[in-house]
Amino acid sequence: QVQLQESGPGLVKPSQTLSLTCTVSGGSVISGGHYYSWVRQHPGKGLEWIGYIYYSGSVDFNPSLKSRVAISVDTSKNQFSLNLRSVTAADTAIYYCARENIVGPTHSVRFDCWGQGTLVIVSS
Amino acid sequence: DIQLTQSPSFLSASVGDRVTITCRASQGISSFLAWYQQKPGKAPNLLIYGASSLQSGVPSRFSGSGSGTEFTLTISSLQPEDFATYYCQQLNSFPRTFGQGTKVEI
Repeated sequence: QVQLQESGPGLVKPSQTLSLTCTVSGGSVISGGHYYSWVRQHPGKGLEWIGYIYYSGSVDFNPSLKSRVAISVDTSKNQFSLNLRSVTAADTAIYYCARENIVGPTHSVRFDCWGQGTLVIVSS
Repeated sequence: DIQLTQSPSFLSASVGDRVTITCRASQGISSFLAWYQQKPGKAPNLLIYGASSLQSGVPSRFSGSGSGTEFTLTISSLQPEDFATYYCQQLNSFPRTFGQGTKVEI
C-alpha cells in the first residue's frame, strides 16, 4: 500500500524559502499514472491545491502561487519536493503531499493517497 | 479557475439521519468530481470519485450523484464516525479546486 510522508522545517522566517519533501513508500514515483501534488490548508480553513509534478518532470501550478513555487522530483530517492519562496505569515498552513491517480476509466481521476500533513509556521 | 460552492456550510444532524450535501460548479465539469471526508487533525480521505464511484473500503452508506454543474453527496444513515468536514473537488481542469467545505456536526 502506497504511503506518503512529508518532512521539513516546521518554522520558516518571513521572506525565506519554505522547503518540504514528500517520501513515497510502497510504490514508485516513476511507475506512471500518477501526478504528485502539494495541497495546503490554512488553519481552520479549506483546501488549496498548490501544484503537481509528473515523474517525467512536467509540472503545473496554481496561478495564485506560480511566481513563488517550484516542485521537483528525485526518482532515485522516490521523493518529490516543494519550494515556496518569499514566504509571509499568509503561507502559514498545513502542507499535504498527495497522489493524483490519473489512470482508469474516464472521469476516475482522484486524489487517492495523502500524507498526514505537516504544519509550517512562518514567523520571525 | 472553476469555483465550487458547497451548501450548506454547516449541517446539524443526528445519528441515523439521511444527509445530503450539494456542490455547484461555476462551469460544466462533466463527472470530474470527487468528495473527501476530513476529520480534525487528519488528512482528507477520498470517498467518491467520478461523481458517483465509491472508493474501495468506503461504506456503502455514502453515495454521490450529478454531472455538469450540480453534484450531491448523500449519507444514507449518519453514523457517529461520519461527523466531519466534507469537501468536493473538481478534476476537470487545472488548477484543481475544492469547495469551501461542509461541516457535519451534532
